[in-house]
Order: sequence, then C-alpha cells, then structure tokens
Amino acid sequence: DARVTQTPRDKVTEMGQEVTMRCQPILGHNTVFWYRQTMMQGLELLAYFRNRAPLDDSGMPKDRFSAEMPDATLATLKIQPSEPRDSAVYFCASGLRKASADMINEQFFGPGTRLTVL
Amino acid sequence: GQNIDQPTEMTATEGAIVQINCTYQTSGFNGLFWYQQHAGEAPTFLSYNVLDGLEEKGRFSSFLSRSKGYSYLLLKELQMKDSASYLCAVRVFKAAGNKLTFGGGTRVLVKP
Repeated sequence: DARVTQTPRDKVTEMGQEVTMRCQPILGHNTVFWYRQTMMQGLELLAYFRNRAPLDDSGMPKDRFSAEMPDATLATLKIQPSEPRDSAVYFCASGLRKASADMINEQFFGPGTRLTVL
Repeated sequence: GQNIDQPTEMTATEGAIVQINCTYQTSGFNGLFWYQQHAGEAPTFLSYNVLDGLEEKGRFSSFLSRSKGYSYLLLKELQMKDSASYLCAVRVFKAAGNKLTFGGGTRVLVKP
C-alpha cells in the first residue's frame, strides 16, 4: 500500500532553532506539495515541485523557510530560525502528472508533522 | 486570490443525508475538489469536478455549477465514521502550474 511518509511526526522546539521536516513521496510520483494547516488559516500551500524543480513557492515566507528536493525520494522543508507563529501541522502531498495530461487530479497526503515552537 | 466559503459546522443523524455547500470566486477556474479529513489525520481525496453536473461515487456525490461559482458535496446514508471535516478546494490556472486553494472546511458531526 503506497503512502507518503513524513518525519518527524511531532516536533517541539524553542524559538530560534532550526527545524527540518522530511517527506518521502509515493514512488513514481513526480509532483510534491508542502502545506501548512492551522486552526486560523486552514490548509495553505507553501510550495510545490515537479520533477524535483520548484514550480511555485509564493506561499512560503522566504526569509526563514526553504524547500528542496535533493532527489526524487526526498523532499525537505526547513525553517531557520523558527518562531512561535510557525506552530502548525505541516503536510506533504504527492501526485503523478502524466505526460498526456495537463494536471494531476488527486493529491495523496502524508500524515503530517505537528510542529510546536515555544 | 480566491474566496472560498463553506459552512463551519453541520450536524446530522446517522442514516440521514447531509449537503455541504461551497461557493467560490476565482479567475482561471480549473476544477473543484472535495477532501475528507478526520481529526488528527491527513486529508484524503473524495471527488473532483471540472464540468457542470453531478459526479456520484457510492454514498458521496459532488455537484458543480461553474456559472454560479457553486458546488456541493452530498453524503447519503450517513455513518458515524463520516464525522470529519470536509474541505472544498479550487484549482486555478497559474503560469507556474496549477495549484489548489482550500476552504476552511466544514466539520460534520454525525449523531446516533
């Protein structure tokens, strides 16, 4: 049963510390998304990649957030330095865009990383 | 940007039907999605509409009217396990690629 995996599942850290979240997309999927979910803002897109290239990171605070895909099996989201307002659940999702289609229709979400910044 | 509105919360009885409405205002509309999210879990895909009309998938159906900027998700024969949040999401054309914008979600509580 192919699934998106994320580590860590929970992270508690202090303000100013660096946080790195990792995601392993479903094998063969070529599109990866990072979302953030809070009670106030709901689910927001931070960044997404296709074939490891960043396509859109307009939802991400550039001064402290960075997202990369070192290889096809790993996506990372880094926050440095972290702030209490970054506390949220961070979801990674993946999908497959076929060459014959303009877009993907289904995104598969990982279990999320619950981040608490004190 | 996109404005997506859906009710915050709804309550229904087991075995009944519930309709969750979603209205949106956007340019470059390219599809409407419904996701289900149980508390503490990840969203899971339910349905997708890009053309007007009704899409049926077992107990769940989704309807779209592009001219009205309106969709609904219909849940029939409600079961206790259907208690969850239901997220409406709109996909728009972007030069950099299509992206989804989610509404705030509707929490559905199914009572015995």
